[in-house]
Amino acid sequence: QLVQSGAEVKKPGESLKISCKGSGYIFSNYWIAWVRQMPGEGLEWMGIIYPGDSDTRYRPSFQGQVTISADKSISTAYLQWSSLRASDTAMYYCARVPIPGGTLQWYFDLWGRGTLVTVSS
Amino acid sequence: EIVLTQSPGTLSLSPGERATLSCRASQSVSSRYLVWYQQKPGQAPRLLIYGASSRATGIPDRFSGSGSGTDFTLTISRLEPEDFAVYYCQQYGNSPPTFGQGTKVEIK
Repeated sequence: QLVQSGAEVKKPGESLKISCKGSGYIFSNYWIAWVRQMPGEGLEWMGIIYPGDSDTRYRPSFQGQVTISADKSISTAYLQWSSLRASDTAMYYCARVPIPGGTLQWYFDLWGRGTLVTVSS
Repeated sequence: EIVLTQSPGTLSLSPGERATLSCRASQSVSSRYLVWYQQKPGQAPRLLIYGASSRATGIPDRFSGSGSGTDFTLTISRLEPEDFAVYYCQQYGNSPPTFGQGTKVEIK
């Protein structure tokens, strides 16, 4: 399973790091993605990391806006912001690619329950 | 990037009826690399179909996927009460992976 950190309420300009801990499988062998869902909207792929070697890819629109990282020793992936905006208010899901190794077939069979991030002054 | 357009936006049906959902891609999706997810309110998405037509583990056989190239379809043969939800398609043949905007299947 993937267990995500709890809901956050932050002010614009603040920093934030949310987490996603995997269990029940070899965490380092499977890509983990982050997916954004803004209120009442659809799903948007933000980026992905392979915990085994920290190979990370970003959707161009998120490059430089967020940082994805992982610590394979504790089976945890992270999504962080250095300066939040109100437009970052959304639910953020982590999700696992079901095929182990360096596949680029990025679809998702295991999802966390989501972390709701609210940014408001 | 590949843009996926789902139709209709909302489908109003009764339990027991057949649901047909469409997902059209702006360019050909290589190797039929398309999946379908179901999302219920307050829940994470759930994988239903991968590779355009293969059911994920534990998915009932009333769910089926078909299509290739730019046109894909999810069919629910007989709607059960638990099937009323939002359905998303996603392509993974080209980077970045992209999702459709969703089709809501609601009770008529």
